[in-house]
Amino acid sequence: QKEVEQNSGPLSVPEGAIASLNCTYSDRGSQSFFWYRQYSGKSPELIMFIYSNGDKEDGRFTAQLNKASQYVSLLIRDSQPSDSATYLCAVIGSSASKIIFGSGTRLSIRP
Amino acid sequence: DADVTQTPRNRITKTGKRIMLECSQTKGHDRMYWYRQDPGLGLRLIYYSFDVKDINKGEISDGYSVSRQAQAKFSLSLESAIPNQTALYFCATSDFIGGTDTQYFGPGTRLTVL
Repeated sequence: QKEVEQNSGPLSVPEGAIASLNCTYSDRGSQSFFWYRQYSGKSPELIMFIYSNGDKEDGRFTAQLNKASQYVSLLIRDSQPSDSATYLCAVIGSSASKIIFGSGTRLSIRP
Repeated sequence: DADVTQTPRNRITKTGKRIMLECSQTKGHDRMYWYRQDPGLGLRLIYYSFDVKDINKGEISDGYSVSRQAQAKFSLSLESAIPNQTALYFCATSDFIGGTDTQYFGPGTRLTVL
């Protein structure tokens, strides 16, 4: 079992709709959770981090964390073509020594 | 100027050659990392360093070595390059504050081993 799992996609969402990206993790003691966005050929950039159960909102983005079920999700409201990218979920485990990345979900927003 | 820089940006080399990839940062962070990215496999950690005297192996350190010359510099070496080391390599820095460890990535080095 991978430590951080994501559906590779591609996930195709119409422009203006809500895109929902999911991530599960295996270390129950994980502490912090991150979503990075990576455009093709570019480096990853942080969108959001969350470390408490519940929702955290930042503009069109909402991160949701459920530690009991060991999943974290990212919702993108009013999806735009510029949101088309690969989204990487990352987790700091219970050892707190390093961050583990999922393999990413490719999101495509169709006009 | 970019906070995290990598040189070279692209490199083509032959099997058996020794290659060094360099990373410099102006963010003042203590933590530095080297990752490789392959299609469908995401980012995999090669080595990481939490300060100048600290070096740690990551998930896939075989065939690689690193040197932390200063707080701002962290280099990755491929002692004898092989074709399956063809990948996109990223350097990153972080500053572990308040339980978060946000990674700041360099622009990447695309390495091709023939």
